[in-house]
This record gives sequence, structure tokens and C-alpha cells, in this order.
Amino acid sequence: DARVTQTPRHKVTEMGQEVTMRCQPILGHNTVFWYRQTMMQGLELLAYFRNRAPLDDSGMPKDRFSAEMPDATLATLKIQPSEPRDSAVYFCASTTSGLAGEQFFGPGTRLTVL
Amino acid sequence: KQEVTQIPAALSVPEGENLVLNCSFTDSAIYNLQWFRQDPGKGLTSLLLIQSSQREQTSGRLNASLDKSSGRSTLYIAASQPGDSATYLCAVRPTSGAGSYQLTFGKGTKLSVIP
Repeated sequence: DARVTQTPRHKVTEMGQEVTMRCQPILGHNTVFWYRQTMMQGLELLAYFRNRAPLDDSGMPKDRFSAEMPDATLATLKIQPSEPRDSAVYFCASTTSGLAGEQFFGPGTRLTVL
Repeated sequence: KQEVTQIPAALSVPEGENLVLNCSFTDSAIYNLQWFRQDPGKGLTSLLLIQSSQREQTSGRLNASLDKSSGRSTLYIAASQPGDSATYLCAVRPTSGAGSYQLTFGKGTKLSVIP
């Protein structure tokens, strides 16, 4: 049963702390997305990678957010330093460029910054 | 900039009723449109994907239609069940080119099916 996995599922931290979220895309999927969901803004695209190379990270606050793909099976999203306004659910999704682009989402990481 | 709107924001129907959820988008230059379901505290589950060249897609009790020229899509749910209660989101993908993998999401319609 192929699915996107994310860790941790929940994270509570204090303002100023570093937060790292991890995502394992579906095996064989070469395009990975990071989204953020809040009640006010809905789902917003933060960044995405194709074949591990960043294609667009214009949705991320550059001064505190960074996204990487150390290898084809792992994507990371880091926030340093975290702020209360970063509280949201962060989703990872993956797809293959050879298909119609259907995106498959992970269960999300619910982040609370106090 | 593409904008996706879903109306109504919330809908409550009695079990067994057929219903339609609406999605509209401002830029008709799309590659495809995808309908998702999100249960509380969960991720998104893909329901149907319609290519820009298609008019509709069906999966079980679900039927999604696409009118690209008018910037509209509908999701039809037949014989609704309490298990259909969830938030339904639509998302559009732009035509090929730079940024062609990005999805723009609506804010969703929260559906409640009353037993």
C-alpha cells in the first residue's frame, strides 16, 4: 500500500526553537511538494522539488524556512527560528512527472508554536 | 493569478439525498482539476482527476464534471451517506510550463450528511 509518510504527526514547541519536519514520498515519485494549511489561508504551496532539485520555493519565508531533499526517499522542511504564526498543518505530497500529475498527500504534521 | 472558489462553504443534507458541490476558477488555462476529500485531522485523499480535455470522470457514487471555458467544475454525490461527511476541496493545475506542477486550491466545502 504505497503512501506518503510524514513525521512527526504532531509537534508542540516554543517560539524561537528549530523545527524539522520529514516526508517520505511514494517510491518512484520524483516530484515532492510542501504545503501549509491554516483556517484563514487554506492550503498554500510552500515549495516543490523535482528529481531532488528545488523548482520553486517562492511560497516560503526565506529568512526562516528551508526545504531540502537529501535523497530521493526523504524531504525535509525546517523552520528556524519558529514563531507562533507558523502554527499550521504542514502537508507533503508527491507525484510522478510521467503521469497526469495526480498528487498524493501525506497525513500532515500539526505544528503548534507557543 | 489563479483563484479558486468553492460555494457553499458548508452544506448539510439528509442521508440519501443527491447533492452537488461547486468549484469555479478564474483562469481557464488549466491542465487538469482534482477533487480531494479531507476528514478532520487527516490528510487529503484524491477522489477524481479530470484532464482539461475531458468533460467528466466517475468513480462509484461520485461524478465530477468540468467546463473549462466557463471556469467551472461540479462534484455530484449520489445517494449521500453519513460516511461522506468531510470537507471537499478542488484544485487546479496550470498548463505545462514553469510552475506546471503547482496546484491552486479552493477553501473547500464542509459537507455534513445527517442520518
